[in-house]
Amino acid sequence: GDSVTQMEGPVTLSEEAFLTINCTYTATGYPSLFWYVQYPGEGLQLLLKATKADDKGSNKGFEATYRKETTSFHLEKGSVQVSDSAVYFCALRTLQGAQKLVFGQGTRLTINP
Amino acid sequence: GAGVSQSPRYKVAKRGQDVALRCDPISGHVSLFWYQQALGQGPEFLTYFQNEAQLDKSGLPSDRFFAERPEGSVSTLKIQRTQQEDSAVYLCASSLPLRFRDNEQFFGPGTRLTVL
Repeated sequence: GDSVTQMEGPVTLSEEAFLTINCTYTATGYPSLFWYVQYPGEGLQLLLKATKADDKGSNKGFEATYRKETTSFHLEKGSVQVSDSAVYFCALRTLQGAQKLVFGQGTRLTINP
Repeated sequence: GAGVSQSPRYKVAKRGQDVALRCDPISGHVSLFWYQQALGQGPEFLTYFQNEAQLDKSGLPSDRFFAERPEGSVSTLKIQRTQQEDSAVYLCASSLPLRFRDNEQFFGPGTRLTVL
C-alpha cells in the first residue's frame, strides 16, 4: 500500500539556520503531497501542498517540490525562527476510494535562539 | 468561521469501559474522517463518511471500534471495552466533497484518550 517515510527526529537548530526535512513516498500513481505542522498544544494545520509532479508548494517561508523521479517531497526553509518549533508531518492523499491521508511518523523540530 | 470541534478534549477511562468521542465538522463539509495518532507517531486512518454513509472503515483496528454519523453532520466514534493499546489522540477531519479539486482536510484539536 501507499506509505510515507520521513527523516527521523528530533532536529535541533539555531535560529536563522537552514532547514531540510526529508520525505519520500511510495504510491500507485501520482498522489497529492502535503506537509502538515502541529504546534505545541494545537491541532494539525496544513502548511503547504503540491498536486502534481514538479509543483512547488510554499507558505511562511517553507518550500517543498514534488519530485516524481526520486519520489520525494523534502521540506526546506532558508532561515528558521524560534516560532517554527513544532512537529512536521509529510503526507500523501490516496487516489482511490476515500482519498485518505497517509502520514509519515513526524519530525520534531526545535529552534534555539 | 468555526473550525472542526471535538469533545471531550481529554478522556481517561478504566480498562474495559466504553467511551464515546464526538466530532462537529465544519458546516457544509460532507466528507468526514477519523484518524488515530499514537504517541510519537503520525495519524493513521480509521474511517470515512460521505454524509451519513460510512464508505470506508478499513482502518478500524477491531470490532470494538464503531463510528456513526446518523444525520450527516456530527459524528461519534465509540470504543467498547477499552484496552490500554487504545490510548492515543483521536483526530477528526472534514472536507468538501471529494469531487472538489481543493478538498483540503481540516483537522480538529483531537481527543486524547488514556486507558488505565
